[in-house]
Amino acid sequence: DAKTTQPPSMDCAEGRAANLPCNHSTISGNEYVYWYRQIHSQGPQYIIHGLKNNETNEMASLIITEDRKSSTLILPHATLRDTAVYYCIVRVNNAGNMLTFGGGTRLMVKP
Amino acid sequence: DGGITQSPKYLFRKEGQNVTLSCEQNLNHDAMYWYRQDPGQGLRLIYYSQIVNDFQKGDIAEGYSVSREKKESFPLTVTSAQKNPTAFYLCASKNSGANVLTFGAGSRLTVL
Repeated sequence: DAKTTQPPSMDCAEGRAANLPCNHSTISGNEYVYWYRQIHSQGPQYIIHGLKNNETNEMASLIITEDRKSSTLILPHATLRDTAVYYCIVRVNNAGNMLTFGGGTRLMVKP
Repeated sequence: DGGITQSPKYLFRKEGQNVTLSCEQNLNHDAMYWYRQDPGQGLRLIYYSQIVNDFQKGDIAEGYSVSREKKESFPLTVTSAQKNPTAFYLCASKNSGANVLTFGAGSRLTVL
């Protein structure tokens, strides 16, 4: 699996966009980028995933660079409830085995 | 509603005792996973199972055991051989295909 690098922590003002970067320079052509988040003392929650094209759902947008070596998760209007650890994972689809969750980025949304 | 139920949410045990954590899913998912999380750390994989009656060790399987007798159930036993069992334990499941895991709420085990 491709290794990912994320900043350990970030702050964001409530109501502003939160842009969380992820570097995956060794990503291979068939690997997807997945984002999960974990609110304190809860199980992680799936947010979004993509291969090449930008993706958007009700929770967030995922912007993947043209060379696919990095991506950005965007929370368009961050709220206090978005304070969590955000994990970026790169993985081949249909892989029956495990996902590895590294340290992630601890996002603190401040009033 | 479909989901994953973990029980108990909190568990206290004395050193040397085996404990079993329950994980049940009604999502009809094929694969199930157990992760361990220590304070301020990421998740580490203990065991996973892709089909009934089959399971594989993850990165930190020593001191743990599992069974998968039914598709919907994947209990984890923390044995007395696990040297530092106090942790937050998370169960997850997914279907074959996209790596979209559904997690339970977790079980927090404290060994006194």
